[in-house]
Amino acid sequence: KAGVTQTPRYLIKTRGQQVTLSCSPISGHRSVSWYQQTPGQGLQFLFEYFSETQRNKGNFPGRFSGRQFSNSRSEMNVSTLELGDSALYLCASSLSGRNLYEQYFGPGTRLTVT
Amino acid sequence: AQKITQTQPGMFVQEKEAVTLDCTYDTSDQSYGLFWYKQPSSGEMIFLIYQGSYDEQNATEGRYSLNFQKARKSANLVISASQLGDSAMYFCAMREMEGGFKTIFGAGTRLFVKA
Repeated sequence: KAGVTQTPRYLIKTRGQQVTLSCSPISGHRSVSWYQQTPGQGLQFLFEYFSETQRNKGNFPGRFSGRQFSNSRSEMNVSTLELGDSALYLCASSLSGRNLYEQYFGPGTRLTVT
Repeated sequence: AQKITQTQPGMFVQEKEAVTLDCTYDTSDQSYGLFWYKQPSSGEMIFLIYQGSYDEQNATEGRYSLNFQKARKSANLVISASQLGDSAMYFCAMREMEGGFKTIFGAGTRLFVKA
């Protein structure tokens, strides 16, 4: 069974640009969560999608958005990039997202904003 | 409010020795799960071990064991027989029902294994 995949793995963008990151969950999984990891703030929850609906949201500005498609693949978008958006973005998938023990992480996308 | 505290920013251990990484948590929920993840320099989060709040026995997975003390709200990770490949960042994390099942992570502990 293939694991969670994220594309691209590395990305360099310029301040003010926008970026879209993609996450393909494990086959059959319908919940996708996104996390941001920075040296200063650590790992922080961004949002969670289930069956194409955002079910949970962290404390991030509106520049961060996401969506989920009918095949459960998810994308997150960051508009008007700032230097502080440089981070490792991780997604995680699970069957329902309502099981305490189940969460599988992808390898992450490392975004650098210059 | 849910919170995870890892008080050891960095730890050194001699190869083949055991090491304990500390983790305390704060929650008012009765149903929660505790995790430990390993993150090497590549960035991927590698699942190590899970402990449910209702599990009576401490979880074990190979060389990893979780010392779960519910009354003290601690969930320390014990790595036995350390190997050079264990050098990495280690995160303690928690998911709880009241928190909407999102995962909260601690700040992490960087482990260095010396030959």
